[in-house]
Amino acid sequence: GQQVMQIPQYQHVQEGEDFTTYCNSSTTLSNIQWYKQRPGGHPVFLIQLVKSGEVKKQKRLTFQFGEAKKNSSLHITATQTTDVGTYFCAGRFRGSARQLTFGSGTQLTVLP
Amino acid sequence: EAGVVQSPRYKIIEKKQPVAFWCNPISGHNTLYWYLQNLGQGPELLIRYENEEAVDDSQLPKDRFSAERLKGVDSTLKIQPAELGDSAVYLCASSNNAGANTGELFFGEGSRLTVL
Repeated sequence: GQQVMQIPQYQHVQEGEDFTTYCNSSTTLSNIQWYKQRPGGHPVFLIQLVKSGEVKKQKRLTFQFGEAKKNSSLHITATQTTDVGTYFCAGRFRGSARQLTFGSGTQLTVLP
Repeated sequence: EAGVVQSPRYKIIEKKQPVAFWCNPISGHNTLYWYLQNLGQGPELLIRYENEEAVDDSQLPKDRFSAERLKGVDSTLKIQPAELGDSAVYLCASSNNAGANTGELFFGEGSRLTVL
């Protein structure tokens, strides 16, 4: 079936270091969303990317959608302890109506 | 504005017992989702409703799982009988994009099920 792969599964960084998580699909996506889930919490929407090559920024977070709309990345500059959590990408495949398929997530630990 | 409300937050049952989860979506959201989340994994879709119609239930194990969304608002997810492998967090989400291909999902706090 259609899957969204996400790497790495875990990432430990020192506070102030940068962090990147990558999302890949074998088939073209209509759009992709990113969510953050704090420990013990529920996924919270961060952003949606729709256009090929799109780049969006939210303060220290930069989101990119690949030219072929098969991959995406989330980059955090100068991580803070408040960035701790699991980051999920979630993609909608062309022809799959409104079904949203989540990646397995990248669990970020920020060491003070 | 109230968010997505789920209950119970936690449930511990013995295997072969039934269990039910309830979800109240955000007012005006006509799309409702039930997701299952295992530890260390991303949410996996069980069923999606557009108003009161189940439009995507291909991942719902219909031999033991059932769901309903009467009047297109609240929804319940039932498992009968529960098995050990059903231990997980059951997440409900809603969105207001019934006819569109976009739109963010608003998740509830989830119902954590432990089957002993």
